[in-house]
Amino acid sequence: GQQLNQSPQSMFIQEGEDVSMNCTSSSIFNTWLWYKQDPGEGPVLLIALYKAGELTSNGRLTAQFGITRKDSFLNISASIPSDVGIYFCAGQPKGGGSQGNLIFGKGTKLSVKP
Amino acid sequence: DTEVTQTPKHLVMGMTNKKSLKCEQHMGHRAMYWYKQKAKKPPELMFVYSYEKLSINESVPSRFSPECPNSSLLNLHLHALQPEDSALYLCASSKTSPESSYEQYFGPGTRLTVT
Repeated sequence: GQQLNQSPQSMFIQEGEDVSMNCTSSSIFNTWLWYKQDPGEGPVLLIALYKAGELTSNGRLTAQFGITRKDSFLNISASIPSDVGIYFCAGQPKGGGSQGNLIFGKGTKLSVKP
Repeated sequence: DTEVTQTPKHLVMGMTNKKSLKCEQHMGHRAMYWYKQKAKKPPELMFVYSYEKLSINESVPSRFSPECPNSSLLNLHLHALQPEDSALYLCASSKTSPESSYEQYFGPGTRLTVT
C-alpha cells in the first residue's frame, strides 16, 4: 500500500531554534495535512494544504505542499517548550477516493534538549 | 467550534465485559471515524461513517461494533476484547466531499486497557 516517509523520526530542540521536518511519498498526493499530538491526547490539526506549491502559515508554523506533489514540509520558527510532542503528516493520495482515506506518516517526535 | 468530545477518558475492562465508547461533535460534520492508536504509532483507521451509514470497515474484528445513532453521535461497542486491543481509541469527524473533506478533527481519545 501507499506509505509516507516522515523524517526525522525524532529530534531535540533548544528554545529559540528553528525546526524542520518533512514527508515524502513515491506517489502523488492531492492533500497534505500536519497534526500535532501531545501525550495522551488526540492529534490536533495544524495546517491543511491543497495545491502544489502552496505555502501556508499558522503562527510560527509554516508548511509547504511540494511542487512534485510527492512531499510536504513543516517548519517551526523560534521553538518554545510547548512545541514538544509528536508531529504527524497525513495525506490524501491522488485517486484515493474514499472518504477518510488518509495515509499517515510515522511521526516526528520533538523533545527538549537535555 | 472544532471540538470532538469522547467519553470515557479512560476505561479498564475484562475480556468478558461489554462496554461502549462514545463520541460527539456539533460541527455539522457528516463523516465520522474511529481510529485505533498504539503507543509510538500513527492512528490506524477502523471505521468510517458517512451520512450515518457505514462506508468503510478496515477488516476490523467483530468484537468491535460501531454505531452511528445520528449525525452528531458515534459509538463503539466492545465485547470479548483481547489484551492486545489495549490502545488509545480516537474519534474524528470531517465534512464530506468535496470541500475540506480531508480535514479530520480528532477527539481526545479513550485510553482502553483490557485485562
